Amino acid sequence: QKEVEQNSGPLSVPEGAIASLNCTYSDRGSQSFFWYRQYSGKSPELIMFIYSNGDKEDGRFTAQLNKASQYVSLLIRDSQPSDSATYLCAVKDAGKSTFGDGTTLTVKP
Amino acid sequence: EAQVTQNPRYLITVTGKKLTVTCSQNMNHEYMSWYRQDPGLGLRQIYYSMNVEVTDKGDVPEGYKVSRKEKRNFPLILESPSPNQTSLYFCASSLKLRQTRQETQYFGPGTRLLVL
Repeated sequence: QKEVEQNSGPLSVPEGAIASLNCTYSDRGSQSFFWYRQYSGKSPELIMFIYSNGDKEDGRFTAQLNKASQYVSLLIRDSQPSDSATYLCAVKDAGKSTFGDGTTLTVKP
Repeated sequence: EAQVTQNPRYLITVTGKKLTVTCSQNMNHEYMSWYRQDPGLGLRQIYYSMNVEVTDKGDVPEGYKVSRKEKRNFPLILESPSPNQTSLYFCASSLKLRQTRQETQYFGPGTRLLVL
């Protein structure tokens, strides 16, 4: 079983809708949780970092962490075509990072 | 401008010919890391460094070496490259703010390596 699992894509939503991306992890010792956006042919870009249970909001993005269920999600409200990208979930324990395979999101105008 | 630079951006080489990919950051970040990205395998960590002279293995360190002699630089060395090291390589640096526990992170533009 892979250590970090993301919901298989691709995911397609209409413009203005909420996109929901999910991630589960197996290591209960994981301390930090990240969401990255990666456009095709570009490097990953950190969009959300969360370390405590609950929600963290930044603009149209909300990350939700539930350590008991070993689950972290990313919600994108009012999705825009420019949000079309691959979203990577990662967990970090001290310095070691493990990434999920990514979920490709397409936002249709 | 905050940035992580990698050189070269593209490299074609032959099996066994030693090469170095440089990584440099201008943000005084303590933490730096190398990743490789392969289709179907995602992003995998090769090595990381928590600070100068401190390095540790990630998930796929075999065939790679690193050094961290100064804070800004973290070169990746392939002593004897093989075709299975053909990949897209990313360097990243990050800073964790101890008071707020927030973390900022930047990736370099990537180095596309082809080993024949």
